[in-house]
Amino acid sequence: GAGVSQSPSNKVTEKGKDVELRCDPISGHTALYWYRQSLGQGLEFLIYFQGNSAPDKSGLPSDRFSAERTGGSVSTLTIQRTQQEDSAVYLCASSPGGAGLEQYFGPGTRLTVT
Amino acid sequence: GESVGLHLPTLSVQEGDNSIINCAYSNSASDYFIWYKQESGKGPQFIIDIRSNMDKRQGQRVTVLLNKTVKHLSLQIAATQPGDSAVYFCAEDPPIFGKGTRLHILP
Repeated sequence: GAGVSQSPSNKVTEKGKDVELRCDPISGHTALYWYRQSLGQGLEFLIYFQGNSAPDKSGLPSDRFSAERTGGSVSTLTIQRTQQEDSAVYLCASSPGGAGLEQYFGPGTRLTVT
Repeated sequence: GESVGLHLPTLSVQEGDNSIINCAYSNSASDYFIWYKQESGKGPQFIIDIRSNMDKRQGQRVTVLLNKTVKHLSLQIAATQPGDSAVYFCAEDPPIFGKGTRLHILP
């Protein structure tokens, strides 16, 4: 079956511009996660959606970052007024339920801020 | 949870030897642990998991050991192959990920 998909695969933007990154989770998965991974580093948790509950935004690094999940499916991560330090791979994962279940990752979006 | 480190530690292993990758976790109440493998340019992929009521779990060529006393998790890979080259992450009660270890296979 189809896995988690993300678009675009690569995004180059100028400093100060806004960007939107999209994640299509596996159908039926109620949990969705966003992570950031800088070059050669580990995964930094950003935000977690579980069903209709309020999202866990505890990992968002600043108020320039926000995310939405529409209809319990597709999610969009928005970064406003991008900075060079925002350059990273942004990974999305989904799971059938909440914490305590395996996550399935998408291929990521590589964001480069020039 | 653990913070992201600046540099990933690297483990170099001779092809055919066994590899042991270690991970320390932070929350003694964590119930579920997963090991992921991330190859270059790809998202992490599930390898094996273990729940807190177990000490050991075996898969195909991989074994995960959990020591709750010292909050330590390890991944053992038997007869390491070139295709095992990747970065390995442990995760506790996702979404918390460890820092990751790069496994480098020597010919």
